[in-house]
Amino acid sequence: GQQVMQIPQYQHVQEGEDFTTYCNSSTTLSNIQWYKQRPGGHPVFLIQLVKSGEVKKQKRLTFQFGEAKKNSSLHITATQTTDVGTYFCAGTGTYKYIFGTGTRLKVLA
Amino acid sequence: EPEVTQTPSHQVTQMGQEVILRCVPISNHLYFYWYRQILGQKVEFLVSFYNNEISEKSEIFDDQFSVERPDGSNFTLKIRSTKLEDSAMYFCASNEQFFGPGTRLTVL
Repeated sequence: GQQVMQIPQYQHVQEGEDFTTYCNSSTTLSNIQWYKQRPGGHPVFLIQLVKSGEVKKQKRLTFQFGEAKKNSSLHITATQTTDVGTYFCAGTGTYKYIFGTGTRLKVLA
Repeated sequence: EPEVTQTPSHQVTQMGQEVILRCVPISNHLYFYWYRQILGQKVEFLVSFYNNEISEKSEIFDDQFSVERPDGSNFTLKIRSTKLEDSAMYFCASNEQFFGPGTRLTVL
């Protein structure tokens, strides 16, 4: 069945360092969404990408959708302690809303 | 800012019992979703609902599950006979992107 994998599973960074999480789907996606979930919280929508090769920025966050629409990345520049949480991608493909396995980010002050 | 609300925040039940989880989506939204998240794992799609009927469901959403929009505001998820493995956080979402705070279901 369709799978969406994310790497790395965990990432510890020093505050101020950059961070990237990668999302890879086994099948082509019609769109991809990114969410952030703080410990004990609910997923909070960050962005949706639809077009092949699309790049979107939100302040320190840069989101990219691959040309083949099978992968995506989220890059955070100069992490802050408020960036702590788990970042999930979620793709719409053959099956609706397959969430990735998530990358748990810890930022050390 | 309008929010999705869910009740109860925590539900403890005995195996085999029926539970109903309640959600109030954002009022002018048209699409509603239920997801579950087993502790420490990824979010899993259960079902989507539009125009008073199920539009899509996952393989997890078997005959033990049902959804209803009994009135203009509430959106419910019923689990008929709970199993231990149903223990999880259940999130409601409206218009795909707006998640509620979740209901933690514990089946003993």
